[in-house]
Amino acid sequence: TQLLEQSPQFLSIQEGENLTVYCNSSSVFSSLQWYRQEPGEGPVLLVTVVTGGEVKKLKRLTFQFGDARKDSSLHITAAQPGDTGLYLCAGALGYALNFGKGTSLLVTP
Amino acid sequence: DAGITQSPRHKVTETGTPVTLRCHQTENHRYMYWYRQDPGHGLRLIHYSYGVKDTDKGEVSDGYSVSRSKTEDFLLTLESATSSQTSVYFCAIRTGTTQETQYFGPGTRLLVL
Repeated sequence: TQLLEQSPQFLSIQEGENLTVYCNSSSVFSSLQWYRQEPGEGPVLLVTVVTGGEVKKLKRLTFQFGDARKDSSLHITAAQPGDTGLYLCAGALGYALNFGKGTSLLVTP
Repeated sequence: DAGITQSPRHKVTETGTPVTLRCHQTENHRYMYWYRQDPGHGLRLIHYSYGVKDTDKGEVSDGYSVSRSKTEDFLLTLESATSSQTSVYFCAIRTGTTQETQYFGPGTRLLVL
């Protein structure tokens, strides 16, 4: 069961542009994680958000957890080609993580 | 680097043959997970383990079995591989006190002909 919906599915932008990726659900999660995955590799954890309304910054990446703990967003400022990859959100529910299908980001020079 | 290795990294097999994938960790974490990743479906949990000989089913466990006889190794077996099990398989470990701090291995790409 896909509890998390990510949008957009695909995003192609030029270097220097800003972008936002969304992760939405009707379920309440105890926490939400964002991962980045490059081709041929496993997902790499970027951040975990736990508190409703929480905002975390990781260099040019800003993560926000919704007040009701049902949704999250990832904002990238001044995207660079090195940001290219598949961005996955995952919600902690019970014994496991539920993953969204991902947003595939391509940043061209 | 969470000290997770998976073997083999690539495998091609034929329908009906048994296949075992291995996940090895070096840090003695209690929880280990097996996921599969498919286009259009994302990552889905197959089985997980919460200790030696303690395992439970995930969302897509049919056709798979697991074993954990040592803390460091978690094995995933396809008893009789089918083409629908062609996928990329990821092992993950949980390092924190809750399930959110999961770290993933490099994956095994399996093709069932």
